[in-house]
Amino acid sequence: ETGVTQSPTHLIKTRGQQVTLRCSSQSGHNTVSWYQQALGQGPQFIFQYYREEENGRGNFPPRFSGLQFPNYSSELNVNALELDDSALYLCASSSGGQQSSPLHFGNGTRLTVT
Amino acid sequence: DQQVKQNSPSLSVQEGRISILNCDYTNSMFDYFLWYKKYPAEGPTFLISISSIKDKNEDGRFTVFLNKSAKHLSLHIVPSQPGDSAVYFCAASEPGTYKYIFGTGTRLKVLA
Repeated sequence: ETGVTQSPTHLIKTRGQQVTLRCSSQSGHNTVSWYQQALGQGPQFIFQYYREEENGRGNFPPRFSGLQFPNYSSELNVNALELDDSALYLCASSSGGQQSSPLHFGNGTRLTVT
Repeated sequence: DQQVKQNSPSLSVQEGRISILNCDYTNSMFDYFLWYKKYPAEGPTFLISISSIKDKNEDGRFTVFLNKSAKHLSLHIVPSQPGDSAVYFCAASEPGTYKYIFGTGTRLKVLA
């Protein structure tokens, strides 16, 4: 069973730039969620994708956007980067549509915005 | 407004003893709760879950207790092992939503 994989592991960007983070979901999972974890905080929900559609969104501005592909992999795009976007970005997959289903996380992408 | 709170940022326990990690929540609509463990440079790893129709769930050395009237859940680890040293997060969700609200975590250190 292949787990959730994320790339890249680390990234340094400049304020105002754009970034794309990638995620491959665990085999058998068709739902992908993205979370942002700032230093000393718990993960915060950004959005979720199910069957290539956004299925729910947290309190993040529209410059955070995403995609899910037919193979259930996903991308997180952030435009006009701000210093506060520096965080660990976690992708998690789960069994499709089932609300009471644990999330299985990847190891994250550490984004630093300077 | 922090809907899920872990008020103890850290906890130290002797190897072989019980570790008790606590979590409080404010939203009475939450009906599903999870605990995760996180090592440095890794993503959170799912440990155990509990539905609001239960008050206890066990899996090996890990037991989660849910007290709905107090809006409180706890994770018991018995016996604690040095490999259990990590940051532990509790998370909760409402029915019909797809997002989990996480606490800020408790750093557990198990002393050999």
